[in-house]
Amino acid sequence: DADVTQTPRNRITKTGKRIMLECSQTKGHDRMYWYRQDPGLGLRLIYYSFDVKDINKGEISDGYSVSRQAQAKFSLSLESAIPNQTALYFCATSEGQGAVNEQFFGPGTRLTVL
Amino acid sequence: GDSVTQMEGPVTLSEEAFLTINCTYTATGYPSLFWYVQYPGEGLQLLLKATKADDKGSNKGFEATYRKETTSFHLEKGSVQVSDSAVYFCALRGGGSNYKLTFGKGTLLTVNP
Repeated sequence: DADVTQTPRNRITKTGKRIMLECSQTKGHDRMYWYRQDPGLGLRLIYYSFDVKDINKGEISDGYSVSRQAQAKFSLSLESAIPNQTALYFCATSEGQGAVNEQFFGPGTRLTVL
Repeated sequence: GDSVTQMEGPVTLSEEAFLTINCTYTATGYPSLFWYVQYPGEGLQLLLKATKADDKGSNKGFEATYRKETTSFHLEKGSVQVSDSAVYFCALRGGGSNYKLTFGKGTLLTVNP
């Protein structure tokens, strides 16, 4: 079974709709992250959370919000979706403070905003 | 700020050819360096890493050496296979951060039989 799961895997929605993407992990990691991937731009960090009570903005947080419901769950919301939020979204996890702090990625959610 | 520049693709090779994907970086302090691979329809997986100068990361026949003097971390493989077809991302974690990864734009590799 996958350690980091994301739902849904694909979603098509319309401009102005509210959308929630969910991430769950069974790795027992404290830290969780949301990234978006756009062709030719690599991955960019949207939000990150070091524990349930700690949530921080990444480099492109405008238009997004997050909720850390439990250690294992971290959801990303688009309050009012717009077409330029069409992208591939990845959740990732990592352990707490450590020398390497490798990040483990989910399979991604492909979101299309019409 | 931190940045990663990797060679633009796409790269197309025949099976058993030699692969090099160039990666250079700009960072403060002493960053850790990573190569991630993304197979079609999947998330990113860590391929290899190096945490200090002159370290060589290796995995699945891929290698990369952390070169501080040239700020580079080039990915190499002596003989690629069709199953190596994927997108490869170079990334760094800055010396002043223990969480933030900065990614390159990715290089698409296609290996033909």
